[in-house]
Amino acid sequence: RKEVEQDPGPFNVPEGATVAFNCTYSNSASQSFFWYRQDCRKEPKLLMSVYSSGNEDGRFTAQLNRASQYISLLIRDSKLSDSATYLCVVSYNYGQNFVFGPGTRLSVLP
Amino acid sequence: AAGVIQSPRHLIKEKRETATLKCYPIPRHDTVYWYQQGPGQDPQFLISFYEKMQSDKGSIPDRFSAQQFSDYHSELNMSSLELGDSALYFCASNRLPDSGNTIYFGEGSWLTVV
Repeated sequence: RKEVEQDPGPFNVPEGATVAFNCTYSNSASQSFFWYRQDCRKEPKLLMSVYSSGNEDGRFTAQLNRASQYISLLIRDSKLSDSATYLCVVSYNYGQNFVFGPGTRLSVLP
Repeated sequence: AAGVIQSPRHLIKEKRETATLKCYPIPRHDTVYWYQQGPGQDPQFLISFYEKMQSDKGSIPDRFSAQQFSDYHSELNMSSLELGDSALYFCASNRLPDSGNTIYFGEGSWLTVV
């Protein structure tokens, strides 16, 4: 079992749709949580950090449930430019260790 | 703002050859991480360095070695290359603990072994 697991995908949604990604992690010592976005053949880029209180950045909302060891990302009003692979990332040991999930691919269709 | 710089961006090597990848972290970042990403796979952690000392080791083959230098840049040395080593190699950097534990990636080095 992988340390970080995500919805297998791919998700194919029409423009304007709302899509949610789920992520679970197994290491209870995990301290920080992130969503990264990766375009094909490009480097992962930080989308947003995830906090226990939940946080929102425009059309993106991230939630963390430490008790369930579960992280989510909600994208509202999907744009074509949102098409990418979304990586759930967990860190521990005060930032010395980062573990990536397998990623969920999103294709937003016109 | 300055980002993580990796070089070379692309290289082609033959089996059994040696390759060296370089990584220059964001200024004032003291921690460097190396990841390998094969086609259709998520980034796999290889090794990391904090303040020039190895801090963690992942799935790095024995044929590979790495180090971090006094100016904090890092080099990944790969010997006896195999076809399966063909991948995108990312370097990422961080400053512990000031950057909120967020790591930033370079654009990657594409290695093709033929």
